[in-house]
Amino acid sequence: QKEVEQDPGPLSVPEGAIVSLNCTYSNSAFQYFMWYRQYSRKGPELLMYTYSSGNKEDGRFTAQVDKSSKYISLFIRDSQPSDSATYLCAMSAGGNNRLAFGKGNQVVVIP
Amino acid sequence: SAVISQKPSRDICQRGTSLTIQCQVDSQVTMMFWYRQQPGQSLTLIATANQGSEATYESGFVIDKFPISRPNLTFSTLTVSNMSPEDSSIYLCSVDGGHTGELFFGEGSRLTVL
Repeated sequence: QKEVEQDPGPLSVPEGAIVSLNCTYSNSAFQYFMWYRQYSRKGPELLMYTYSSGNKEDGRFTAQVDKSSKYISLFIRDSQPSDSATYLCAMSAGGNNRLAFGKGNQVVVIP
Repeated sequence: SAVISQKPSRDICQRGTSLTIQCQVDSQVTMMFWYRQQPGQSLTLIATANQGSEATYESGFVIDKFPISRPNLTFSTLTVSNMSPEDSSIYLCSVDGGHTGELFFGEGSRLTVL
């Protein structure tokens, strides 16, 4: 079983829809959870960062972490064409532990 | 967050040749990381580059294939040696954002080997 599972299937949604992305993981030591956004031909940029369980909201973006289920989610409300990108989940146990990444989801928001 | 510049942004190379990718950071950092991003795959850590010591390679990556230099606290290079088409990938330089493990990335170097 891979440390981080993220279904890499592309996702197309109409503008204004809610985008829902998720990852599961197997390492119970993970306590730092991140979502990165990667535009085409660019490097990943940190979008959301969450420590331990709970929700975090930043504008149209909401990150949720459920450590009991080893499940994290990212929601994008009122999606815009500018949200079209690949979204990667990542997590670590902190300290010198390395980030473990999911494979990424390509999201296309259709005007 | 750090500003990370990578060169080249893309290149097309012939089988058997080598290419060196440069990474420049706008601030001094202790550790720099080199990742590989292949289509449909997770970001994979190649090695960690510390200034003043040899790079630490992850399982499956060796120094002869991916030699790394780290001459100072703001610069590193990754060389992809004796390239084959399987080395076609995006190579990313990154730096640590803090004790919580978040990383900041350069824009990547897209390498195509024919």
